[in-house]
Amino acid sequence: DTAVSQTPKYLVTQMGNDKSIKCEQNLGHDTMYWYKQDSKKFLKIMFSYNNKELIINETVPNRFSPKSPDKAHLNLHINSLELGDSAVYFCASSQDRSGTDTQYFGPGTRLTVL
Amino acid sequence: AQTVTQSQPEMSVQEAETVTLSCTYDTSENNYYLFWYKQPPSRQMILVIRQEAYKQQNATENRFSVNFQKAAKSFSLKISDSQLGDTAMYFCAFMKGLLTDKLIFGTGTRLQVFP
Repeated sequence: DTAVSQTPKYLVTQMGNDKSIKCEQNLGHDTMYWYKQDSKKFLKIMFSYNNKELIINETVPNRFSPKSPDKAHLNLHINSLELGDSAVYFCASSQDRSGTDTQYFGPGTRLTVL
Repeated sequence: AQTVTQSQPEMSVQEAETVTLSCTYDTSENNYYLFWYKQPPSRQMILVIRQEAYKQQNATENRFSVNFQKAAKSFSLKISDSQLGDTAMYFCAFMKGLLTDKLIFGTGTRLQVFP
């Protein structure tokens, strides 16, 4: 009964390829997020969706395109992968958009671009 | 813009001892929330404790407690009776209140608990 799940957990691919990471939450939350953790462990917000609507787009290259088919899913598609995209990508969810609700994180997807 | 600073890249503590991890932040907001997340080697991000800025009382969760000093913009985490399972990266995070939902993280403190 995983609360926030991501697939795949590991992704190894060549530069220039296109790949997707999927995220699903079964908590009934309205808001979902994508964070990126770089090689120095620094975590930074990329996107946030509330009820399938994009709320935050934090100056991420347009090669990254989030898609929310419904409020339980938020997928991340990356075009033309670059070496610098190698990182751990975390999905998270919260009940609503206020700080009164905790963000729950998925297990992360380690993306390695060769 | 808000920033979060964790000045201790690494800390170590012996099992059963107490350790304090430091965090300072910068904001002009009056209403905000502060969090400590733990990331063990499994990579999972786990919420340890949270504090609402409008509450004067320091949050406590079992062996974990915070020292929240609003005027000094300081939010330290105290771990009592440290256990081997506490070995992890610890991230301090800030969130503005009311319809702004991104977490702003510090750079993390790697804590090693020794037997």
